[in-house]
Amino acid sequence: NAGVTQTPKFQVLKTGQSMTLQCAQDMNHEYMSWYRQDPGMGLRLIHYSVGAGITDQGEVPNGYNVSRSTTEDFPLRLLSAAPSQTSVYFCASSFTSGKSKTQYFGPGTRLLVL
Amino acid sequence: DAKTTQPPSMDCAEGRAANLPCNHSTISGNEYVYWYRQIHSQGPQYIIHGLKNNETNEMASLIITEDRKSSTLILPHATLRDTAVYYCIVRVQSNQGGKLIFGQGTELSVKP
Repeated sequence: NAGVTQTPKFQVLKTGQSMTLQCAQDMNHEYMSWYRQDPGMGLRLIHYSVGAGITDQGEVPNGYNVSRSTTEDFPLRLLSAAPSQTSVYFCASSFTSGKSKTQYFGPGTRLLVL
Repeated sequence: DAKTTQPPSMDCAEGRAANLPCNHSTISGNEYVYWYRQIHSQGPQYIIHGLKNNETNEMASLIITEDRKSSTLILPHATLRDTAVYYCIVRVQSNQGGKLIFGQGTELSVKP
């Protein structure tokens, strides 16, 4: 298993540009989520999904869109990037039923918005 | 807001046990205690979790007080590679997957 994969590893954007951060998992997890981590801070939840076709907002959803058309993929879209969105973005996934609901994280995408 | 309180930093000598405390005085009966760590801006790594009994796995032990208001993560023989930020998180083990609310964590420095 590759686990949770994220692409790209690093991205530089200009203010106002759009882009999609990709997240995929091969563990058949129903639950997937996106977090951002600013320097010296803990992770904050942006959006999450409990299955294909179902998404919901986390703590800091403004400026981000998500969709979940398949179990494996959960892309995060920035429609008009702002310098305040400079951060490291982590994707995570887990089962929603059964004994283990441990969330597993991807390696992160480092985003710089100029 | 995070429901846990941890010291911001701790030091530990290599080869000794590292004991990381966490206070969660408002924990609910159905909330689990989870520990993750983050090594140098990598993705957080799951360590261990528990409800009310003490737990042990190949990485660490988790000791939860009887009133469940605090817990301690124990790394029995710390190595330099255990230097990381350790996060204590309480969460409901729901069918919705369960949101993880991260606090500031404890920065553990393992020294030779």
